[in-house]
Amino acid sequence: DIQMTQSPSSVSASVGDRVTITCRASQRASSWLGWYRQRPGEAPELVIHAASTLQRGIPSRFSGSGSGTDFTLTINSLQPEDFGTYYCQQANSLFTFGPGTKVDIK
Amino acid sequence: QITLKESGPTLVKPTETLTLTCTFSGFSLTTSGVGVGWIRQPPGKALEWLAVVYWDDFKRYSPSLKSRLSITKDTSKSQVVLTMTNMDPVDTATYYCAHRAPLSGLFDNWGQGTLVTVSS
Repeated sequence: DIQMTQSPSSVSASVGDRVTITCRASQRASSWLGWYRQRPGEAPELVIHAASTLQRGIPSRFSGSGSGTDFTLTINSLQPEDFGTYYCQQANSLFTFGPGTKVDIK
Repeated sequence: QITLKESGPTLVKPTETLTLTCTFSGFSLTTSGVGVGWIRQPPGKALEWLAVVYWDDFKRYSPSLKSRLSITKDTSKSQVVLTMTNMDPVDTATYYCAHRAPLSGLFDNWGQGTLVTVSS
């Protein structure tokens, strides 16, 4: 099984800040890596797929990078609607979600 | 527009079998590469993938829950059904179904989720 870890587990930020979240896979995830945003009380929403491709309808302040086992999600100029929890997920071998990173208001 | 909606009991007793139905629209589960998966989230905890069924009826399960899960599809009704046997209070969670996109392999459209509580 591929295990996923994320850091940090939580981050406090202000509107306009840049936030960076990292994700590491225990085995090569290749390009089958995505990032989800989950606002409180809502279903998750895919924001990045193929490690670095912006999902349709997602604003360009979101970007992803990485390959192999190490990946990064960056949110430039954090907006109020971006507060919530972010999960990475691999789909190279079955499916595994990371433990999540909570982004809350400083 | 792709939509999915979960339905089923909100309360089940320990040892009972849970049956959840995902009714979807806006896509066909006969299209190559398409899948429908189930994911759950205990209150305040992380997402956990459970199972997926593909357009060709290929099925995959979470290794840790494989013995308790079964997933089936009914393309004529645009439905996917998940059953989980021997329910326990630790299975209390919001259960989501989601569309697995052919190109990315990820879940790009989700249902609203349904909270299932396991209690006697």
